[in-house]
Amino acid sequence: GAVVSQHPSRVICKSGTSVKIECRSLDFQATTMFWYRQFPKQSLMLMATSNEGSKATYEQGVEKDKFLINHASLTLSTLTVTSAHPEDSSFYICSADGTAAGVNEQFFGPGTRLTVL
Amino acid sequence: AQTVTQSQPEMSVQEAETVTLSCTYDTSESDYYLFWYKQPPSRQMILVIRQEAYKQQNATENRFSVNFQKAAKSFSLKISDSQLGDAAMYFCAFHAYSGAGSYQLTFGKGTKLSVIP
Repeated sequence: GAVVSQHPSRVICKSGTSVKIECRSLDFQATTMFWYRQFPKQSLMLMATSNEGSKATYEQGVEKDKFLINHASLTLSTLTVTSAHPEDSSFYICSADGTAAGVNEQFFGPGTRLTVL
Repeated sequence: AQTVTQSQPEMSVQEAETVTLSCTYDTSESDYYLFWYKQPPSRQMILVIRQEAYKQQNATENRFSVNFQKAAKSFSLKISDSQLGDAAMYFCAFHAYSGAGSYQLTFGKGTKLSVIP
């Protein structure tokens, strides 16, 4: 149980275009989902916390107009990178809040590698 | 704010031997959880082991165990009988209520573990 999927797993786009990444909790409902960004050989950096039915909470330094987050249902959150530029190239990981063995835990998706040309 | 420090950027271990990865954290919270995650080359985040702060007993999961020293704010991971498949990045993470309606994870910078055949 507690599986999180991401789509696409890999995307290449041209500079100036927008890209949408989907994050789904497949077998549980997630009121809260998280979006992380990971540069090569670095740790995960939290970008935003997404709550179903409300506006996302962005971390300091993350442009909310560039990284649009929508959490329209208890099983789906989307991250749209608008007007993407090469510096937006990165590995994006989502996670969903759930419970395992009575402990609050985040379940991670497999990630999306974005390359902006 | 919480901080998590992993002081060993890289470690290596001989196959079948034991290795310990260090992690210290800083917090004023009394109720929290600590996790070790493994990130293999596929980049899927895999939960290795979790520890509830209120439990004095150290968590164990097969070949993985922790040494949790709450007063010292230390949370090290011991891997026994190391296997080639243990080679990965290991992230220590602190999990506590963010005060904004959800729990958040704070990650250390990671330790890259190599296993020598």
